[in-house]
Amino acid sequence: GQQLNQSPQSMFIQEGEDVSMNCTSSSIFNTWLWYKQEPGEGPVLLIALYKAGELTSNGRLTAQFGITRKDSFLNISASIPSDVGIYFCAGQNNNNDMRFGAGTRLTVKP
Amino acid sequence: DTEVTQTPKHLVMGMTNKKSLKCEQHMGHRAMYWYKQKAKKPPELMFVYSYEKLSINESVPSRFSPECPNSSLLNLHLHALQPEDSALYLCASTPNYMNTEAFFGQGTRLTVV
Repeated sequence: GQQLNQSPQSMFIQEGEDVSMNCTSSSIFNTWLWYKQEPGEGPVLLIALYKAGELTSNGRLTAQFGITRKDSFLNISASIPSDVGIYFCAGQNNNNDMRFGAGTRLTVKP
Repeated sequence: DTEVTQTPKHLVMGMTNKKSLKCEQHMGHRAMYWYKQKAKKPPELMFVYSYEKLSINESVPSRFSPECPNSSLLNLHLHALQPEDSALYLCASTPNYMNTEAFFGQGTRLTVV
């Protein structure tokens, strides 16, 4: 099946720093989504992207759907301790199959 | 109400036990999903129900048996599980199968002993 390569695997940053993570695929996706999962919880949708080149913000979060439709990035500006968690990208193809990336584990030091 | 509610939150069961996981949503969503998530891994799709009919079974062993009694409820019946089946089981729903903006429940942390 289609593989999503998400990087970095983990990040340790200082409070106030900006964060960037991305997902790439060898195949085209119609939709890119970014989820956040905290310990003991299910994933929560942060941002959904539907068109190539689309740039969408949700507060301090910004995500873009790559022009080639094979990649997406998520930026978090001015990180705070509650940003801690695992961030997953997910892509949906023409068959409506949704695949998750391996996740980026974010640790924010106060 | 934008919640997907899963019960129980934790479950410990023996390999000979029969148990069920339950999921409920009242958002009028017509697609519901079961995912399995191992520690430090992404969720893996198990089953998809669309309009109460099983649409996708991702080659899941028969010791996992899904059931969708109505549009608001989704069950996962467990029987003769193995220790390697221990994981977080997540339920999700979307307005329909074409829609990707999934709402996830908190999950059931299952331990098979």
